[in-house]
Amino acid sequence: GAGVSQSPRYKVAKRGQDVALRCDPISGHVSLFWYQQALGQGPEFLTYFQNEAQLDKSGLPSDRFFAERPEGSVSTLKIQRTQQEDSAVYLCASSPALGLAEASDTQYFGPGTRLTVL
Amino acid sequence: RKEVEQDPGPFNVPEGATVAFNCTYSNSASQSFFWYRQDCRKEPKLLMSVYSSGNEDGRFTAQLNRASQYISLLIRDPKLSDSATYLCVVNMDGTSHGKLTFGQGTILTVHP
Repeated sequence: GAGVSQSPRYKVAKRGQDVALRCDPISGHVSLFWYQQALGQGPEFLTYFQNEAQLDKSGLPSDRFFAERPEGSVSTLKIQRTQQEDSAVYLCASSPALGLAEASDTQYFGPGTRLTVL
Repeated sequence: RKEVEQDPGPFNVPEGATVAFNCTYSNSASQSFFWYRQDCRKEPKLLMSVYSSGNEDGRFTAQLNRASQYISLLIRDPKLSDSATYLCVVNMDGTSHGKLTFGQGTILTVHP
């Protein structure tokens, strides 16, 4: 399939454990977004990459959250010393848009990683 | 106040009964507007974009009122398969990279 893929689909972590969540965007998509969706809520923006550059990380809730996209394709969201409030679905989305006039291009979401912190 | 507000519902409607959802947004400079659909334990998927002139896609009609900062979605003759959460989504910074702000979502259940 040519869609956005994410792994793992489910992750259970003990409080204090570090986790790494992977996103494979649609091939050739320039823009990549990470969102966090808590139960019963809409997704909330975490961070944005244009190719390998992280242009906006204003949504990252704390310095325990770190994201990278070193070669402008696959991205990893890392959460250090996980806490119970980190339990959520982490969604990755990609878009061919470069921003500005193309800011309204459709974002294609992956299936998400459901993180549960015990 | 949330940046994008929706009535969370749930809306329980019989098949064939028209249903409408409303949404308000806080940033008057917002540029792009969308309705996404999210099925249980699935990712959000774009249902339709929303334009000032109003737009229709089959049984779905979306409307935007910039003066009131209000967006609506009307579903005519709803089917059982329309049961889902409908997310009102706004690109609040149209001069930037398309960061989306989502509402809480409105839960729709269509019953026989």
